[in-house]
Amino acid sequence: KNEVEQSPQNLTAQEGEFITINCSYSVGISALHWLQQHPGGGIVSLFMLSSGKKKHGRLIATINIQEKHSSLHITASHPRDSAVYICAVLSTGGADGLTFGKGTHLIIQP
Amino acid sequence: DAGVIQSPRHEVTEMGQEVTLRCKPISGHNSLFWYRQTMMRGLELLIYFNNNVPIDDSGMPEDRFSAKMPNASFSTLKIQPSEPRDSAVYFCASSSLTGSPLHFGNGTRLTVT
Repeated sequence: KNEVEQSPQNLTAQEGEFITINCSYSVGISALHWLQQHPGGGIVSLFMLSSGKKKHGRLIATINIQEKHSSLHITASHPRDSAVYICAVLSTGGADGLTFGKGTHLIIQP
Repeated sequence: DAGVIQSPRHEVTEMGQEVTLRCKPISGHNSLFWYRQTMMRGLELLIYFNNNVPIDDSGMPEDRFSAKMPNASFSTLKIQPSEPRDSAVYFCASSSLTGSPLHFGNGTRLTVT
Protein backbone atom coordinates (compact mmCIF):
# COMPACT_ATOMS: atom_id res chain seq x y z
CA LYS A 1 0.00 0.00 0.00
CA ASN A 2 1.29 3.42 -0.95
CA GLU A 3 2.02 5.79 1.90
CA VAL A 4 1.50 9.45 1.04
CA GLU A 5 3.01 12.14 3.23
CA GLN A 6 2.39 15.84 2.86
CA SER A 7 4.21 18.74 4.45
CA PRO A 8 3.61 21.07 6.02
CA GLN A 9 0.28 20.13 7.61
CA ASN A 10 -0.54 23.78 8.23
CA LEU A 11 0.88 26.89 6.61
CA THR A 12 0.08 30.54 7.22
CA ALA A 13 1.67 33.14 4.96
CA GLN A 14 1.27 36.76 3.93
CA GLU A 15 -0.29 37.80 0.68
CA GLY A 16 2.27 37.84 -2.11
CA GLU A 17 4.52 35.14 -0.68
CA PHE A 18 5.73 32.18 -2.73
CA ILE A 19 4.19 28.99 -1.35
CA THR A 20 5.51 25.43 -1.59
CA ILE A 21 3.65 22.32 -0.49
CA ASN A 22 5.38 18.97 -0.63
CA CYS A 23 4.19 15.43 -1.20
CA SER A 24 6.16 12.22 -0.99
CA TYR A 25 5.02 8.67 -1.59
CA SER A 26 6.49 5.26 -0.94
CA VAL A 27 5.96 3.12 -4.05
CA GLY A 28 5.84 3.67 -7.80
CA ILE A 29 2.92 5.53 -9.25
CA SER A 30 1.35 6.05 -12.64
CA ALA A 31 -0.09 9.46 -11.81
CA LEU A 32 -0.27 12.05 -9.05
CA HIS A 33 -3.14 14.46 -8.45
CA TRP A 34 -3.17 17.77 -6.64
CA LEU A 35 -6.60 18.67 -5.31
CA GLN A 36 -7.89 21.85 -3.71
CA GLN A 37 -10.63 21.74 -1.12
CA HIS A 38 -12.35 25.06 -0.54
CA PRO A 39 -13.50 26.22 2.90
CA GLY A 40 -17.02 25.32 1.83
CA GLY A 41 -15.94 21.71 1.30
CA GLY A 42 -15.97 21.41 -2.49
CA ILE A 43 -13.02 19.65 -4.11
CA VAL A 44 -11.43 20.72 -7.36
CA SER A 45 -8.76 18.85 -9.27
CA LEU A 46 -5.84 21.22 -9.94
CA PHE A 47 -3.35 18.97 -11.71
CA MET A 48 -2.76 15.43 -12.75
CA LEU A 49 0.84 14.66 -13.67
CA SER A 50 3.08 11.69 -14.20
CA SER A 51 6.34 13.46 -15.04
CA GLY A 52 7.95 16.87 -15.26
CA LYS A 53 6.07 20.02 -14.57
CA LYS A 54 2.69 21.63 -15.23
CA LYS A 55 1.64 25.24 -14.87
CA HIS A 56 -1.78 26.81 -14.65
CA GLY A 57 -1.92 30.49 -13.88
CA ARG A 58 -0.09 31.08 -10.60
CA LEU A 59 0.04 27.38 -9.78
CA ILE A 60 2.93 25.12 -10.68
CA ALA A 61 3.20 21.40 -9.98
CA THR A 62 6.37 19.38 -10.34
CA ILE A 63 7.13 15.73 -9.87
CA ASN A 64 10.37 13.76 -9.52
CA ILE A 65 9.60 10.12 -10.18
CA GLN A 66 13.02 8.87 -9.06
CA GLU A 67 12.75 10.63 -5.73
CA LYS A 68 9.02 9.85 -5.35
CA HIS A 69 8.29 13.47 -4.60
CA SER A 70 6.04 16.21 -5.90
CA SER A 71 5.67 19.88 -5.06
CA LEU A 72 2.87 22.35 -5.55
CA HIS A 73 3.93 25.99 -5.81
CA ILE A 74 1.78 29.09 -5.65
CA THR A 75 3.32 32.34 -6.86
CA ALA A 76 2.08 35.74 -5.68
CA SER A 77 -0.26 34.10 -3.18
CA HIS A 78 -3.63 35.68 -2.49
CA PRO A 79 -6.18 35.24 0.32
CA ARG A 80 -8.46 33.41 -2.11
CA ASP A 81 -5.79 30.67 -2.30
CA SER A 82 -6.65 29.78 1.30
CA ALA A 83 -7.80 26.17 1.17
CA VAL A 84 -6.73 22.63 1.93
CA TYR A 85 -4.43 21.16 -0.71
CA ILE A 86 -4.46 17.40 -1.05
CA CYS A 87 -1.99 15.17 -2.84
CA ALA A 88 -3.29 11.85 -4.17
CA VAL A 89 -1.45 9.09 -6.01
CA LEU A 90 -2.47 6.34 -8.36
CA SER A 91 -0.16 3.42 -7.69
CA THR A 92 1.39 1.55 -10.61
CA GLY A 93 -0.48 -1.68 -11.24
CA GLY A 94 -2.77 -1.01 -8.34
CA ALA A 95 -6.44 -0.40 -8.16
CA ASP A 96 -7.67 2.67 -9.93
CA GLY A 97 -8.62 4.29 -6.69
CA LEU A 98 -6.36 6.95 -5.26
CA THR A 99 -4.37 7.05 -2.04
CA PHE A 100 -4.63 10.44 -0.40
CA GLY A 101 -2.35 12.53 1.76
CA LYS A 102 -3.84 14.15 4.84
CA GLY A 103 -3.78 17.58 3.21
CA THR A 104 -2.08 20.91 3.84
CA HIS A 105 -4.21 23.64 5.34
CA LEU A 106 -3.07 26.93 3.77
CA ILE A 107 -4.09 30.35 5.04
CA ILE A 108 -3.01 33.47 3.17
CA GLN A 109 -3.41 36.61 5.22
CA PRO A 110 -3.96 39.99 3.55
CA ASP B 1 -21.92 20.89 -18.07
CA ALA B 2 -23.48 20.69 -14.60
CA GLY B 3 -20.61 18.69 -13.17
CA VAL B 4 -21.02 15.79 -10.79
CA ILE B 5 -24.27 16.16 -8.88
CA GLN B 6 -24.75 14.70 -5.44
CA SER B 7 -27.82 14.65 -3.25
CA PRO B 8 -28.69 15.41 -0.61
CA ARG B 9 -26.14 18.04 0.45
CA HIS B 10 -26.86 17.38 4.10
CA GLU B 11 -28.41 14.39 5.81
CA VAL B 12 -29.14 14.07 9.52
CA THR B 13 -30.53 10.78 10.68
CA GLU B 14 -30.83 8.64 13.77
CA MET B 15 -28.77 5.59 14.44
CA GLY B 16 -30.32 2.50 12.89
CA GLN B 17 -31.97 4.29 10.01
CA GLU B 18 -31.22 3.58 6.38
CA VAL B 19 -29.37 6.29 4.47
CA THR B 20 -29.17 6.57 0.69
CA LEU B 21 -26.74 8.95 -1.00
CA ARG B 22 -27.08 9.69 -4.69
CA CYS B 23 -24.70 10.67 -7.45
CA LYS B 24 -25.07 11.68 -11.07
CA PRO B 25 -21.70 11.63 -12.86
CA ILE B 26 -20.72 13.85 -15.74
CA SER B 27 -22.28 12.60 -18.95
CA GLY B 28 -19.84 10.47 -20.89
CA HIS B 29 -17.65 9.64 -17.93
CA ASN B 30 -17.31 5.91 -17.47
CA SER B 31 -15.52 5.77 -14.10
CA LEU B 32 -17.30 6.65 -10.86
CA PHE B 33 -15.79 6.75 -7.40
CA TRP B 34 -17.25 7.04 -3.90
CA TYR B 35 -15.02 8.58 -1.23
CA ARG B 36 -15.50 9.29 2.46
CA GLN B 37 -13.80 12.14 4.29
CA THR B 38 -13.37 12.35 8.06
CA MET B 39 -11.14 14.47 10.25
CA MET B 40 -9.35 11.41 11.57
CA ARG B 41 -8.75 9.50 8.34
CA GLY B 42 -8.91 12.12 5.63
CA LEU B 43 -10.19 11.05 2.22
CA GLU B 44 -10.64 7.33 1.63
CA LEU B 45 -11.82 5.43 -1.40
CA LEU B 46 -14.87 3.30 -0.69
CA ILE B 47 -15.66 1.80 -4.08
CA TYR B 48 -15.29 2.56 -7.76
CA PHE B 49 -17.11 1.52 -10.90
CA ASN B 50 -15.96 1.24 -14.52
CA ASN B 51 -18.75 1.15 -17.08
CA ASN B 52 -21.27 0.58 -14.29
CA VAL B 53 -19.44 -2.48 -12.98
CA PRO B 54 -17.95 -2.41 -9.45
CA ILE B 55 -14.21 -2.92 -9.79
CA ASP B 56 -12.86 -2.53 -6.27
CA ASP B 57 -14.99 -2.36 -3.14
CA SER B 58 -12.22 -3.20 -0.68
CA GLY B 59 -12.63 0.21 0.90
CA MET B 60 -16.22 -0.39 1.90
CA PRO B 61 -15.97 -0.55 5.68
CA GLU B 62 -18.65 -3.11 6.46
CA ASP B 63 -21.56 -5.07 5.06
CA ARG B 64 -23.78 -2.22 6.19
CA PHE B 65 -22.44 -0.29 3.19
CA SER B 66 -23.55 -1.09 -0.34
CA ALA B 67 -23.27 0.74 -3.64
CA LYS B 68 -25.00 0.31 -6.96
CA MET B 69 -24.73 1.81 -10.39
CA PRO B 70 -27.80 0.69 -12.34
CA ASN B 71 -26.90 2.82 -15.35
CA ALA B 72 -24.23 5.19 -16.61
CA SER B 73 -25.92 8.26 -15.18
CA PHE B 74 -26.75 7.26 -11.62
CA SER B 75 -25.19 5.66 -8.58
CA THR B 76 -26.26 5.17 -4.97
CA LEU B 77 -24.39 4.52 -1.77
CA LYS B 78 -26.55 2.98 0.93
CA ILE B 79 -25.86 2.53 4.63
CA GLN B 80 -28.19 0.21 6.51
CA PRO B 81 -28.31 0.42 9.47
CA SER B 82 -26.46 3.66 10.01
CA GLU B 83 -24.23 4.28 13.04
CA PRO B 84 -22.80 7.48 14.55
CA ARG B 85 -19.30 6.54 13.36
CA ASP B 86 -20.57 6.75 9.77
CA SER B 87 -20.82 10.53 10.18
CA ALA B 88 -18.60 12.03 7.49
CA VAL B 89 -18.67 13.84 4.19
CA TYR B 90 -19.23 11.46 1.29
CA PHE B 91 -17.91 12.51 -2.10
CA CYS B 92 -18.68 11.12 -5.50
CA ALA B 93 -16.26 11.71 -8.38
CA SER B 94 -16.18 10.73 -12.02
CA SER B 95 -13.60 10.61 -14.78
CA SER B 96 -13.63 9.89 -18.47
CA LEU B 97 -10.77 7.39 -18.52
CA THR B 98 -8.83 5.38 -16.00
CA GLY B 99 -6.25 7.68 -14.45
CA SER B 100 -7.64 10.86 -16.02
CA PRO B 101 -8.48 13.97 -13.98
CA LEU B 102 -11.25 13.54 -11.45
CA HIS B 103 -14.32 15.71 -11.16
CA PHE B 104 -15.80 15.82 -7.70
CA GLY B 105 -19.34 16.48 -6.57
CA ASN B 106 -19.97 18.88 -3.72
CA GLY B 107 -20.34 16.05 -1.25
CA THR B 108 -23.04 14.91 1.16
CA ARG B 109 -22.47 15.74 4.81
CA LEU B 110 -23.96 12.88 6.82
CA THR B 111 -24.62 13.15 10.53
CA VAL B 112 -25.86 10.09 12.38
CA THR B 113 -27.06 10.80 15.92
